[in-house]
Amino acid sequence: AAGVIQSPRHLIKEKRETATLKCYPIPRHDTVYWYQQGPGQDPQFLISFYEKMQSDKGSIPDRFSAQQFSDYHSELNMSSLELGDSALYFCASSFEPSGANVLTFGAGSRLTVL
Amino acid sequence: AQKVTQAQTEISVVEKEDVTLDCVYETRDTTYYLFWYKQPPSGELVFLIRRNSFDEQNEISGRYSWNFQKSTSSFNFTITASQVVDSAVYFCALVQAAGNKLTFGGGTRVLVKP
Repeated sequence: AAGVIQSPRHLIKEKRETATLKCYPIPRHDTVYWYQQGPGQDPQFLISFYEKMQSDKGSIPDRFSAQQFSDYHSELNMSSLELGDSALYFCASSFEPSGANVLTFGAGSRLTVL
Repeated sequence: AQKVTQAQTEISVVEKEDVTLDCVYETRDTTYYLFWYKQPPSGELVFLIRRNSFDEQNEISGRYSWNFQKSTSSFNFTITASQVVDSAVYFCALVQAAGNKLTFGGGTRVLVKP
């Protein structure tokens, strides 16, 4: 079965640079979520989209932005990168943003900021 | 506000021993869902189980079992006859019925030694 695809899997950037992460949800899933997991920490919710509109927002820095496109894939753009942005970024997808629906996570994109 | 607490940060056992992971949650919602996810060393988040707040029936799936006690706001997870492949970080998570923003606990690292 098709899973959530994230790219790139690994990314190394310098401070103040920009990074873009991509997420391709499971076919027919219309809701995408982004989570950030710092070293040794639990995943923290950043933002979610349902039918290409932002549906919920968590602790996402103003330097970050995201959107969901017409084909339902999503991109997370991170600018003016800081050392503290080094983390594992997960994308997840589900059918509709309901607590009854299980989120399927991608393998994650590991961002290292030097 | 929702909160999930996993008091055990790390548990080390010898293969074939049983291990129980504790999870205590706080929420003001009457309808909510509880989850357990496994994060192996490779980093991905693997869904294990979902429970809704109205279903307190315990569940067994192979070597895994879950004990949901609404009276004590706990959702504990037991691995019976542990194996080396069970070594991972296990996260308990909570989501309200409306919306799908997971609140994770801090995770419990399980190390199963041969």
